[in-house]
Amino acid sequence: AQSVSQHNHHVILSEAASLELGCNYSYGGTVNLFWYVQYPGQHLQLLLKYFSGDPLVKGIKGFEAEFIKSKFSFNLRKPSVQWSDTAEYFCAVIIYGNNRLAFGKGNQVVVIP
Amino acid sequence: SQTIHQWPATLVQPVGSPLSLECTVEGTSNPNLYWYRQAAGRGLQLLFYSVGIGQISSEVPQNLSASRPQDRQFILSSKKLLLSDSGFYLCAWRSREEAFFGQGTRLTVV
Repeated sequence: AQSVSQHNHHVILSEAASLELGCNYSYGGTVNLFWYVQYPGQHLQLLLKYFSGDPLVKGIKGFEAEFIKSKFSFNLRKPSVQWSDTAEYFCAVIIYGNNRLAFGKGNQVVVIP
Repeated sequence: SQTIHQWPATLVQPVGSPLSLECTVEGTSNPNLYWYRQAAGRGLQLLFYSVGIGQISSEVPQNLSASRPQDRQFILSSKKLLLSDSGFYLCAWRSREEAFFGQGTRLTVV
């Protein structure tokens, strides 16, 4: 079964700093990739997704992610974070044609004003 | 529009008691349904998923089971709870484009 790795579980940075969160998966075939965000006390919500096409995906709130097939990666980026980006971020992978939706362990991001 | 209902929101149960958490989806048919457990530092651990009535895929051998008696109903159960079953349980349904999550159930086994 595919697995998802997210490193650096806790990230602390100042406002206006750039953010990059790594996501690697372990399956060599076609995958669909997602980043979800969970703000304090709220449900998980979709930030962005990749199915096919342009490997650079733009999502909500200024986030983007790049799919690099050769590296089995789907890293999330934001050039300049705000205090309101404080949240937990989860990468998720589903194998194309399969139904097993697997999540990584998440990155707890704290943005200091 | 589609909605997902999960209840109860919180539950305190004694060790050895049974468990039944229910999840229902409205506004869609034949959804893929999932049960996850969320723990700090461990992310979302996939417990079970289902692609149709009576079809259950189990991820981790444990003290829990799942059933799908109806198309839009997914139930997480245990015959005898353990202390280690305490946690936050999330139900989700998935369209092709994304997954949608319920509000979650905070289970405390005492």
